[in-house]
Parts: sequence; C-alpha cells; structure tokens
Amino acid sequence: NAGVTQTPKFQVLKTGQSMTLQCAQDMNHEYMSWYRQDPGMGLRLIHYSVGAGITDQGEVPNGYNVSRSTTEDFPLRLLSAAPSQTSVYFCASSPDRLPYNEQFFGPGTRLTVL
Amino acid sequence: KQEVTQIPAALSVPEGENLVLNCSFTDSAIYNLQWFRQDPGKGLTSLLLIQSSQREQTSGRLNASLDKSSGRSTLYIAASQPGDSATYLCAVQLDSNYQLIWGAGTKLIIKP
Repeated sequence: NAGVTQTPKFQVLKTGQSMTLQCAQDMNHEYMSWYRQDPGMGLRLIHYSVGAGITDQGEVPNGYNVSRSTTEDFPLRLLSAAPSQTSVYFCASSPDRLPYNEQFFGPGTRLTVL
Repeated sequence: KQEVTQIPAALSVPEGENLVLNCSFTDSAIYNLQWFRQDPGKGLTSLLLIQSSQREQTSGRLNASLDKSSGRSTLYIAASQPGDSATYLCAVQLDSNYQLIWGAGTKLIIKP
C-alpha cells in the first residue's frame, strides 16, 4: 500500500490563480480530511468527508472547495488564491466513517501564494 | 472552546538524557489524546494514542500519560538519541464530533 499520497509536494501561485491539491489513499478508508499548518499554530481542519459523495466544513473552510466522487480521492481546490493561504497542507484518512482512532497522514504540500 | 497548548516551543538536550514534553488542554470532555512526530518535509507519524479511560501508554522508549481532570498529558522519552530530533505534536480528539484539536508542537533537538 502506498498509504496517503499528496501532489504536488511544492507549489508557488500568484494571487488570484486557482489550483487543486491532490490527495489519494489506497486503504479503502471512509474518512478523509484536509488540514493546514501555519507557523506557531496547530493544524486546523479545513474540510472533511465521511464517505464518497459526502463532505462537510471544518474550522477554516473559507476559500477552499472539496469533492469526494470516489472513496480513494479527496482533492482540495483553491478557486482564487490569496497570500493568507500560504501554508503547508496535509491530507489524512481514517478507516471508519468517523475518525474514532488513528488517522494516517500524507507527506504534505507546501504552498506559497505571492 | 477546546484549546491545546504545548510548552516549551523548543527544547535542546544532550544525547542520553531522559526528557518530558508537556501538553495541556482546557476541556476534559475528550475522546482520546494523541502524540505525533513530525520530521521536516515529511508527514505526521502517530506515536501514541491514549483513550480517555486510560492513564498511560507505552511504546519502546516512549511513555505518554494522561490526566483528564487536570487537563494534562506528558510524553516521556527515555535515553534520548539524535534520531529523536523532530517536532512533537499533541492533539486531543473531541468527544462531541471526533475532530482533532492540535497544539503548536515542541521542536526537540538532541545534541550528539
């Protein structure tokens, strides 16, 4: 199993550009989520999904969209990037519909918005 | 609102020392508490998970304790090694919706 994979590893955008951060898992996990990590702060939940076709907002959803058309993939879309979205983004998955126990994290995407 | 604090933000100790990392939280209504390790440029690795009904968990040289009533957890690392250098993150999982609330982490440097 590859586990949780994220692409790209690094990305630089200009303000106003759009892009999609990819996340995939091959463990048949129901629950997937996106976090952002900023210096001096804990990870914050952006969006999550409890299964294909079901998504919900986390703590900091503004400026981000998600969809879950398959169990394996959970892309995060930035429609119009802003410098405040400069951060490291982590995708995570968990076996059950709710993250009762251990979550498995991808390696992260470091995004810079100029 | 649940808040998680980790102090100190950074710690540097000589190799071989035993050390303790601290994590405090404001609301005792938690489902569990988890400790993670983060290496530069890499993802997060789960180290220990303590259910709310448990007092401690051990894995090798690592021991994590949980005191819900005082809102505290400690991660004890025995006989530290340079390979233990990393950022250690603490997260509490809420009883209400199972979401994780994270501390900002302690950056640990073990000097050879």
